[in-house]
Amino acid sequence: SYELTQPPSVSVSPGQTASITCSGNELGYKHVSWYQQKPGQSPILVIFEDNKRPSGIPERFSGSNSGNTATLTISGTQAMDEADYYCQAWDSNTAIFGTGTKVTAL
Amino acid sequence: QVQLVQSGAEVKRPGSSVKVSCRASGGAFSTSAIFWVRQAPGQGPEWMGGIIPVFHTSKYTRKFQGRVTISADASTGTAYMELRSLRSDDTALYYCAGGSTTRWGGWFDPWGQGTLVTVSS
Repeated sequence: SYELTQPPSVSVSPGQTASITCSGNELGYKHVSWYQQKPGQSPILVIFEDNKRPSGIPERFSGSNSGNTATLTISGTQAMDEADYYCQAWDSNTAIFGTGTKVTAL
Repeated sequence: QVQLVQSGAEVKRPGSSVKVSCRASGGAFSTSAIFWVRQAPGQGPEWMGGIIPVFHTSKYTRKFQGRVTISADASTGTAYMELRSLRSDDTALYYCAGGSTTRWGGWFDPWGQGTLVTVSS
């Protein structure tokens, strides 16, 4: 079955750039979405179709997808961005979520 | 803007069933898919399946096939997820989420607030 692998954790200094990777076989041929989930809250969509931001999502969130890796980039990371992040793609009409990455702003 | 409002927490015995509802509030019931996702304690989201109400079609992952039924009532703007033969490892938060298309694809937005289902003897 298809798998999406993320690093368990990413640490970043406030104001710096955090990059979260999502790896899967030929992932670049699929559309990737990214979700942010804070403790005790439902996930929210931060990126769809690889690099599009929903209304209300700050411009510091951006995405890319090529080859076997999709990347979520948070530029100028703020303390409020501390959360778990999950990538998501579709394979054979099945939604697959990544293993998740905890972003910590030190 | 449409919000998805789910039914309240449930405590169930092993072997029983649970039915969770998801009502569209603040807007018309979407013609796009409605998905169900569960999240076990400390784990990531896991897609269970979904329904495309306008086509009356449902789809389930192999893991839940035969044990789950997803349905929708467009007249009330409500979707349902019923899980049967509950086990202790079904203890999780169950979310509904709106799809972006009338096909099996796209993104998940918005999400419901989640329904905690606890399975315990």
